[in-house]
Amino acid sequence: DAGITQSPRHKVTETGTPVTLRCHQTENHRYMYWYRQDPGHGLRLIHYSYGVKDTDKGEVSDGYSVSRSKTEDFLLTLESATSSQTSVYFCAISADASEQYFGPGTRLTVT
Amino acid sequence: GQNIDQPTEMTATEGAIVQINCTYQTSGFNGLFWYQQHAGEAPTFLSYNVLDGLEEKGRFSSFLSRSKGYSYLLLKELQMKDSASYLCAVREHDYKLSFGAGTTVTVRA
Repeated sequence: DAGITQSPRHKVTETGTPVTLRCHQTENHRYMYWYRQDPGHGLRLIHYSYGVKDTDKGEVSDGYSVSRSKTEDFLLTLESATSSQTSVYFCAISADASEQYFGPGTRLTVT
Repeated sequence: GQNIDQPTEMTATEGAIVQINCTYQTSGFNGLFWYQQHAGEAPTFLSYNVLDGLEEKGRFSSFLSRSKGYSYLLLKELQMKDSASYLCAVREHDYKLSFGAGTTVTVRA
């Protein structure tokens, strides 16, 4: 299994507060991705990174920002959490933009 | 953008065969992936097709027809542990995957 962890695994926060989720990998893979998964929608890409300090938007990037200051860490920040951002968030990594390996997920609830 | 369609649910009996279809419409194509996801867990990679034809991996096979925008995942000799969601994903000419909503397969004894 790919060495990929996410923290926290569960979080409950209030509307309007900032939240940062962390993805950490030990595989030295170039590509990292953040997805959200909601019933009926499948996995939707939020942001992705193709190298240190190189990031781009996915299809549902509004309200989210990311940073990647070193190869192993990819941070996802909800600038001001809203109830519509209640979801399960998955991080994924890939060596060559081919198959992706997913982290265990973070369940976020915004009240 | 992408339009990826797969059935919402399928039910089959232990030991049987199930075929999960996926159709897609894209402005470009650079590979099709299948993932398995058990309830409450992360998706895990099953297969990758970039050329037309059938790829076989043990009990699982995946087929691709690029001209028809069509793929299927075939699960043979179904086992109870195969009860899961199966996700079809398409990659265009960039680093991103677009996923279908997933097909929940229930295996009955």
